Amino acid sequence: AQTVTQSQPEMSVQEAETVTLSCTYDTSENNYYLFWYKQPPSRQMILVIRQEAYKQQNATENRFSVNFQKAAKSFSLKISDSQLGDTAMYFCAFMTIYYNNNDMRFGAGTRLTVKP
Amino acid sequence: DSGVTQTPKHLITATGQRVTLRCSPRSGDLSVYWYQQSLDQGLQFLIQYYNGEERAKGNILERFSAQQFPDLHSELNLSSLELGDSALYFCASSPPSGLAGGQETQYFGPGTRLLVL
Repeated sequence: AQTVTQSQPEMSVQEAETVTLSCTYDTSENNYYLFWYKQPPSRQMILVIRQEAYKQQNATENRFSVNFQKAAKSFSLKISDSQLGDTAMYFCAFMTIYYNNNDMRFGAGTRLTVKP
Repeated sequence: DSGVTQTPKHLITATGQRVTLRCSPRSGDLSVYWYQQSLDQGLQFLIQYYNGEERAKGNILERFSAQQFPDLHSELNLSSLELGDSALYFCASSPPSGLAGGQETQYFGPGTRLLVL
């Protein structure tokens, strides 16, 4: 069974600084996708970034980037130039893809607070 | 706005009752997923439908059932409700395989907050 572990229940960072959120996963699959979702106080689930396991290049989206280490089964999220609006719960998620048959497994989340 | 709609936004009911949550996927998406998020916890996958057929099943209780209709909207039925069923229920949708963006990206609705008293 696939499991996703986020070992940091809470983190904080000063505005404009950089923070890294950790995620590890366990799977015997070779092809899969990894995601980071953000859940602000509104509780909306917002996709931050995704990574295809077959791609060696780390994904980036503006201030958000990942460090994907496939052999170590590690998928960390780096937020640069943190902004107050980045305050949210961040969930790491793992998904294997079968033809139109897939479910996503989430970690327990990391609560990030950006301080002014 | 993800394009996924869920109704109602809030629902308050009593133990032992039955409720129905509704989800309309994004235009063109054929897959619908249901998730449960209890207080301060991660999301638990419940079930997936693709074009009307059940495709994947997670930790869904026997008291819960779902279906996807020909117009692709989906309903999640929760019966014999217990206090522990109080949670935020999310619906997500994704495109069919082969389309740009791919079936791997799920777009979430705003959720239905269920409170069982």
